[in-house]
Amino acid sequence: DTGVSQNPRHKITKRGQNVTFRCDPISEHNRLYWYRQTLGQGPEFLTYFQNEAQLEKSRLLSDRFSAERPKGSFSTLEIQRTEQGDSAMYLCASSLDGLGSNQPQHFGDGTRLSIL
Amino acid sequence: TQLLEQSPQFLSIQEGENLTVYCNSSSVFSSLQWYRQEPGEGPVLLVTVVTGGEVKKLKRLTFQFGDARKDSSLHITAAQPGDTGLYLCAGQTSYDKVIFGPGTSLSVIP
Repeated sequence: DTGVSQNPRHKITKRGQNVTFRCDPISEHNRLYWYRQTLGQGPEFLTYFQNEAQLEKSRLLSDRFSAERPKGSFSTLEIQRTEQGDSAMYLCASSLDGLGSNQPQHFGDGTRLSIL
Repeated sequence: TQLLEQSPQFLSIQEGENLTVYCNSSSVFSSLQWYRQEPGEGPVLLVTVVTGGEVKKLKRLTFQFGDARKDSSLHITAAQPGDTGLYLCAGQTSYDKVIFGPGTSLSVIP
């Protein structure tokens, strides 16, 4: 399977704990995006990378959230001191570099986070 | 702030019926994409429309991009239970940021 891969698929943790998610994009894609999706809503943009550079961060991304893409391949999203409101599906997507050329994003199946 | 609205929010129809869902914005997008998402899975791209007035067909699905590139519609002919899912539109800005609408949840009853 050469699609976008996310791990773990599900994460259940207690409030206050730290969690880390991993995303492996399609290998030739140099753009990688993180989104958060709650039930009945569309994905909300969190941040995106062009290769290893983090180019934009949403104001939704509080200081408890950090994302990295150290070698321009896989990416991690860490949430520190989790809160109830962090419960959501975290989606990763990747695309080719497409400024002005409308390259579509390909999504993984997400990591569902549940905070107890 | 660029926003996308979708209507209706929920739609429940009988197998064989036709339906149209809408995606509207006050902003202009360089392109607009439609995705379908099933529970527990990520969105799957259906189509990208780029040119104002463009119409694309994908089997029983017809997608239209408004002339002003601010709105789009998805029409499904003779809906089938396999069409059930969350239909998301996503607008791509000139800076390559993608903004998603809240989705239309479609249920097709056999």
